[in-house]
Amino acid sequence: AQTVTQSQPEMSVQEAETVTLSCTYDTSENNYYLFWYKQPPSRQMILVIRQEAYKQQNATENRFSVNFQKAAKSFSLKISDSQLGDTAMYFCAFMKITSGTYKYIFGTGTRLKVLA
Amino acid sequence: GAVVSQHPSRVICKSGTSVKIECRSLDFQATTMFWYRQFPKQSLMLMATSNEGSKATYEQGVEKDKFLINHASLTLSTLTVTSAHPEDSSFYICSAGTGRSGYTFGSGTRLTVV
Repeated sequence: AQTVTQSQPEMSVQEAETVTLSCTYDTSENNYYLFWYKQPPSRQMILVIRQEAYKQQNATENRFSVNFQKAAKSFSLKISDSQLGDTAMYFCAFMKITSGTYKYIFGTGTRLKVLA
Repeated sequence: GAVVSQHPSRVICKSGTSVKIECRSLDFQATTMFWYRQFPKQSLMLMATSNEGSKATYEQGVEKDKFLINHASLTLSTLTVTSAHPEDSSFYICSAGTGRSGYTFGSGTRLTVV
């Protein structure tokens, strides 16, 4: 069974600095998708970034980038130039296909606080 | 972009009563929607997959008679918590989308059973 592990329950970073959130996963599948979601205090889940496993190039979305290491089954998120609005819970998610349906498996989350 | 609307955002009900939560895809058709439960400071736990025109698929350990799911149209899925008890108090979230590109989430419903 697939599992997703986020080993950092809480992290903090100074505004304008860079922070990296870690995520590891376990799977025997070769084709899958990985995601990072942000959940601010409003509790609305917001997609941050997405990575296809068959792509070697790391995904980038403005200040957000990932370091995808397929062999190591690692999928870390780097936030550059951190902003106060980045304060949120961050969830790493593995997407698997079950009976033709794509389903998420979420990690336990990392609570990030950006300090002024 | 894809928009998923979820109502109500908050609901308080008495123990023993039932409460219905709606999840609508506003600008796309969703043959599949998902229902999650989230306890405070914890991750999202998938409860069930809602399939338009057919029965929902429940995850192991989720009581299908307690959490009734109806996906009557391509834009609406409902979750009814029947005979609610205080332990059913939680945050419930739905999601929908086109699969590999990622799913869009509703804004969630905070259910409090008193």
